[in-house]
Amino acid sequence: AQSVAQPEDQVNVAEGNPLTVKCTYSVSGNPYLFWYVQYPNRGLQFLLKYITGDNLVKGSYGFEAEFNKSQTSFHLKKPSALVSDSALYFCAVRDNNNDMRFGAGTRLTVKP
Amino acid sequence: DTEVTQTPKHLVMGMTNKKSLKCEQHMGHRAMYWYKQKAKKPPELMFVYSYEKLSINESVPSRFSPECPNSSLLNLHLHALQPEDSALYLCASSQESSLVGLATGELFFGEGSRLTVL
Repeated sequence: AQSVAQPEDQVNVAEGNPLTVKCTYSVSGNPYLFWYVQYPNRGLQFLLKYITGDNLVKGSYGFEAEFNKSQTSFHLKKPSALVSDSALYFCAVRDNNNDMRFGAGTRLTVKP
Repeated sequence: DTEVTQTPKHLVMGMTNKKSLKCEQHMGHRAMYWYKQKAKKPPELMFVYSYEKLSINESVPSRFSPECPNSSLLNLHLHALQPEDSALYLCASSQESSLVGLATGELFFGEGSRLTVL
């Protein structure tokens, strides 16, 4: 079965510094990988996805993610963090059975 | 219109009540989903409808009963729930359905219905 893992429960960065939220995957076949963000008491918002093509994927709000096949990783990055980026981030993988499976989530806190 | 609309936003019910959660999308999506999310946890898949037919049921207890009246609407009927069923219930939709090919697109989520069972 397809799965993703987020090794960090919490990531803290200072405003203006680069941020990285880690995700590794385990899939059979081609991976279809996604990042979502969730603000308190809200639904999930789509940030970006990797289906095929360039390993560096650009998404919403200045976020990008790098697909690395040899390391089976799909880390989320942003060059300069904002306090408003503080939220819960989920990595996800699309399954051939038409469902989407989420990682455990990483809480990002950006301090002024 | 790129929204998934869920009602009600909040619901409090007793263990003997019958209530329903509703979800609507007008993006022409052919797959719709129900997820359950507990606090500080990832969403857990409950049901998937593809072309208005139930395609996935993740062994959800029968006190949760999904219904897809048409391609735009998805309901979740609730009956005899337990306090541990209290959670945020998320509806989502996607353009593709694996019934007609590999689904690779993103899911669009509603804001959720926060359910409290007393």
